[in-house]
Amino acid sequence: QVQLQESGPGLVRPSGTLSLTCTVSGDSISSGKWWSWIRQSPGKGLEWVGEIYRSGSTNYNPSLKSRVTISADKSKNQFSLEVTSVTAADTAVYFCATRGTGYYPFTYWGQGALVTVSS
Amino acid sequence: QSVLTQPPSASGTPGQRVTISCSGSSSNIGSNFVNWYQQLPGTAPKLLIYADNQRPSGVPDRFSGSKSGTSGSLAISGLQSDDEADYYCATWDASLNGYWVFGGGTKVTVL
Repeated sequence: QVQLQESGPGLVRPSGTLSLTCTVSGDSISSGKWWSWIRQSPGKGLEWVGEIYRSGSTNYNPSLKSRVTISADKSKNQFSLEVTSVTAADTAVYFCATRGTGYYPFTYWGQGALVTVSS
Repeated sequence: QSVLTQPPSASGTPGQRVTISCSGSSSNIGSNFVNWYQQLPGTAPKLLIYADNQRPSGVPDRFSGSKSGTSGSLAISGLQSDDEADYYCATWDASLNGYWVFGGGTKVTVL
């Protein structure tokens, strides 16, 4: 059974950088899957942030692309998210998730981590 | 403003059938599979339907999906109190180099 667990600071100052890590167990991030970040603002819907493949290839949401970087650490079986120049609009629960190649759906999800942007 | 349009709410009494629509365009639903997720309060979304009408193992056959043109649909038959949740449609959008898009979500209430 694949399990994903998000971790990182719960509070980030405006204009700062949001950083989160997703630790994967039960599978290898070097396997043929995409490893994704999806966020949900309080009381709002889901927004796909971006994803990374084992090769290091990445896809990003066009609306966030200029501020987002997703990277992977194969030695730790983790992948990470960085969002720069954050504002209150970036306050959200951030989920990590995984899907197969092609247009496979997001099959496994982490429990989510709340990140609040506030001074 | 979500790329995919869902009604904000739907409701029914126990045993009834509820249908949720998901409207998109030729660059998303019109050319790719629709997936549906169920999100119970305070939890992560769970895959409910994939590839328009396929159920993952363990999902009751009370849940069914369909697609026609640029719209998808989720039906819940024999509505139960446990079905009270938010439901989201999602698909790949081929515009702007491609990205995943979600509907705004539909809150299902069991009366």
